Amino acid sequence: EAQVTQNPRYLITVTGKKLTVTCSQNMNHEYMSWYRQDPGLGLRQIYYSMNVEVTDKGDVPEGYKVSRKEKRNFPLILESPSPNQTSLYFCASSPKGHPNQPQHFGDGTRLSIL
Amino acid sequence: EDQVTQSPEALRLQEGESSSLNCSYTVSGLRGLFWYRQDPGKGPEFLFTLYSAGEEKEKERLKATLTKKESFLHITAPKPEDSATYLCAVQAVGYSTLTFGKGTMLLVSP
Repeated sequence: EAQVTQNPRYLITVTGKKLTVTCSQNMNHEYMSWYRQDPGLGLRQIYYSMNVEVTDKGDVPEGYKVSRKEKRNFPLILESPSPNQTSLYFCASSPKGHPNQPQHFGDGTRLSIL
Repeated sequence: EDQVTQSPEALRLQEGESSSLNCSYTVSGLRGLFWYRQDPGKGPEFLFTLYSAGEEKEKERLKATLTKKESFLHITAPKPEDSATYLCAVQAVGYSTLTFGKGTMLLVSP
């Protein structure tokens, strides 16, 4: 089954404790992206990757890091999480090295940072 | 700066009561406008892509249309299973990012 898989689905942690949210897709997609979704603000793009070893900032990259060492994986790293990063996070992928194709989304990771 | 405004924020319909959702956008040059559906606890699910004014696309009870300033998602004779949040997003020419609206939460009562 074609899918985007995020782990963990839920995480409660404390300020300053480094965490990684993994994202993996099995569709051989070139483009991958991370979003956060907050009430009243909608979906906002954090980082995206056009292909392996190619990453770029979205609209709200502060406090986040990403890497794209393999085509299928695109982890989101919070080096020193803070409470304002409490949010619902989505990973997405699309078939070509450009988002002008339908994006397939994972089911989300709900992060709570105390 | 690209902007996407969706209205209404929430809409309650009776089963069979047709209506439309609006997505107004401001973008320097439109590469594509996307509609997604999001169910509670799930990621957005792709519905349509529209590329140029005058374009229309249909899928079951849904029909999306596009003008130079806005897009409409028409829902004909909705059913309770159409209840979801509908998201609109735009991509500008020369950019690799999407700008999403805040969504319209649709509730269809039997």
